[in-house]
Amino acid sequence: SQTIHQWPATLVQPVGSPLSLECTVEGTSNPNLYWYRQAAGRGLQLLFYSVGIGQISSEVPQNLSASRPQDRQFILSSKKLLLSDSGFYLCAWSVVGANNEQFFGPGTRLTVL
Amino acid sequence: GEDVEQSLFLSVREGDSSVINCTYTDSSSTYLYWYKQEPGAGLQLLTYIFSNMDMKQDQRLTVLLNKKDKHLSLRIADTQTGDSAIYFCAVYNFNKFYFGSGTKLNVKP
Repeated sequence: SQTIHQWPATLVQPVGSPLSLECTVEGTSNPNLYWYRQAAGRGLQLLFYSVGIGQISSEVPQNLSASRPQDRQFILSSKKLLLSDSGFYLCAWSVVGANNEQFFGPGTRLTVL
Repeated sequence: GEDVEQSLFLSVREGDSSVINCTYTDSSSTYLYWYKQEPGAGLQLLTYIFSNMDMKQDQRLTVLLNKKDKHLSLRIADTQTGDSAIYFCAVYNFNKFYFGSGTKLNVKP
């Protein structure tokens, strides 16, 4: 069966520090991968998606970047965090097919102080 | 892009039915989904409907799709306190999923 991992689960970082959040998927090949941010009490904002290794589409201009060095690994990064980067970051995967279901990881709670 | 809209809050009594509504803008959306999010957790897929369907029933859940009005609804029969959560509507279009802002369902005992 397929599983998706995210780490760390929670993170507290000072303003101006770098960020690296990792997401890995098991049990599937060539998934589409997604990074979302959910601000407190708000909906999901799509940040990046990837349809293959090295292929990244950015949805909104921001302080973050994403990379996909391997088929089932998706990394969200920042060189210098801003206060506004605080939020709940969710990684998700889907496979184009019968119903294009999207499956979410457990999320990373990032607090920038 | 696509705009997906939901009302923010819904409060019902235990045992009543809940109806959560969603509207979207792009008629070419192929799949439409309902997700549930409990506090501090990721999103859990509840059900989905393909755009050529009008209705889908899955135990206590009924999804209705009105393509003409671009309106999607989720009905939860016999709502329980364990159904209290945030419910997200999502639509799929060209490799991307567009989410509503979520409806917080509060079930009172």
